Amino acid sequence: DVKVTQSSRYLVKRTGEKVFLECVQDMDHENMFWYRQDPGLGLRLIYFSYDVKMKEKGDIPEGYSVSREKKERFSLILESASTNQTSMYLCASSSRLAARYNEQFFGPGTRLTVL
Amino acid sequence: GIQVEQSPPDLILQEGANSTLRCNFSDSVNNLQWFHQNPWGQLINLFYIPSGTKQNGRLSATTVATERYSLLYISSSQTTDSGVYFCAVEHGDSWGKLQFGAGTQVVVTP
Repeated sequence: DVKVTQSSRYLVKRTGEKVFLECVQDMDHENMFWYRQDPGLGLRLIYFSYDVKMKEKGDIPEGYSVSREKKERFSLILESASTNQTSMYLCASSSRLAARYNEQFFGPGTRLTVL
Repeated sequence: GIQVEQSPPDLILQEGANSTLRCNFSDSVNNLQWFHQNPWGQLINLFYIPSGTKQNGRLSATTVATERYSLLYISSSQTTDSGVYFCAVEHGDSWGKLQFGAGTQVVVTP
């Protein structure tokens, strides 16, 4: 079974703090994704990566950066957290195998509150 | 970008009832997935179904790509089926990106 893990289920931070959200997958997937989920706005893609050290902006990258130094790990960084970044953050991974191309598997999510 | 519409937005079922959830999309897709989000927020994969029909226990799904819709069937519903069901598609012009629908909130009562 694919396993995607995230470093925290719940996180509380102060405005202006630098925040790191970590995601690890154990299936040797090439692609990794970060989404945020907000009531009324659904799931929105922040950043994704299709290879080590590669990154692509999603629909809402402002205020975020990412790092992918190893294939299995994808980090989301909030350089200076703000209250409007309070949200549920979901990480996903997928393979480029043709049979199940880009079937995405999600981690359990991190509920981040910025005070 | 591609539009994904799910209906109905809310569904209340009595245990044992059957139901159909619908997902319409506005353009051709490479990938279509159905997910169930449980009360703890975890998104669970139900089906990877860009076309055709699949069954998994009490759940089945059909995607008619030429007519741009997908259906998720829940039979003999149980309280554990409660949660939000999402349809997500990958458009040909948006490699890697899944566009999610707004979801269908399902409540199964005993």
